[in-house]
Amino acid sequence: QVQLVQSGAEVEKPGASVKVSCKASGNTFSDYYIHWLRQTPGQGLEWMGRINPNSGETKYAPNFQGRVTLTRDTPISTAYMELSSLRSDDTAVYYCARDPGVLAFDPWGQGTLVTVSS
Amino acid sequence: DIQMTQSPSSLSASVGDRVTITCRTSQSISTYLNWYQQKPGTAPKLLIYAASSLQSGVPSRFSGSGSGTDFTLTISSLQPEDFATYSCQQSYNMPYTFGQGTKLEIK
Repeated sequence: QVQLVQSGAEVEKPGASVKVSCKASGNTFSDYYIHWLRQTPGQGLEWMGRINPNSGETKYAPNFQGRVTLTRDTPISTAYMELSSLRSDDTAVYYCARDPGVLAFDPWGQGTLVTVSS
Repeated sequence: DIQMTQSPSSLSASVGDRVTITCRTSQSISTYLNWYQQKPGTAPKLLIYAASSLQSGVPSRFSGSGSGTDFTLTISSLQPEDFATYSCQQSYNMPYTFGQGTKLEIK
């Protein structure tokens, strides 16, 4: 059973960047897309983008294009999400999730709270 | 973007009740519709994918149906552990989008 373990909570100032990691257990890291999503009380769940861990090919949601960068380090089965030019409304819980090949998200990481505050 | 509208936004029910939650999309998405359950402080959990396929390990009291623009999630007999928030999500095209959630509470 694959598990995704994310890095810990972050507090950042407006204008800064944050990088969240997502480490996958098991030997199938390269086989399935890794997606990044976030959840806020106001906007609910938002899809940010995905990365193909095998090729590194990425696709971003228009709302985050230009501010989000997804990368991966395949030998250590870890994916990363970096969000730049942070604003207070970027305060959210950020999740990674895998697509097991059915165009859905399962499993999810435990979530990383990112707080943007001056 | 495809807009997702869930109803109701909240629902009170009792253990043993049959419950139905509806999700409507702004355009036809065939059966590219997934359902998630989320409990406070935890990540969402996939229940149903492709509108009606039960994810492995999910109890059979959960079922999904629909195609095109109208979908339903049904819980046949509510159990205490089912009180949570349920969200639909379309995977027809990117950006993938979610409904606003239905909070299922104990009556």
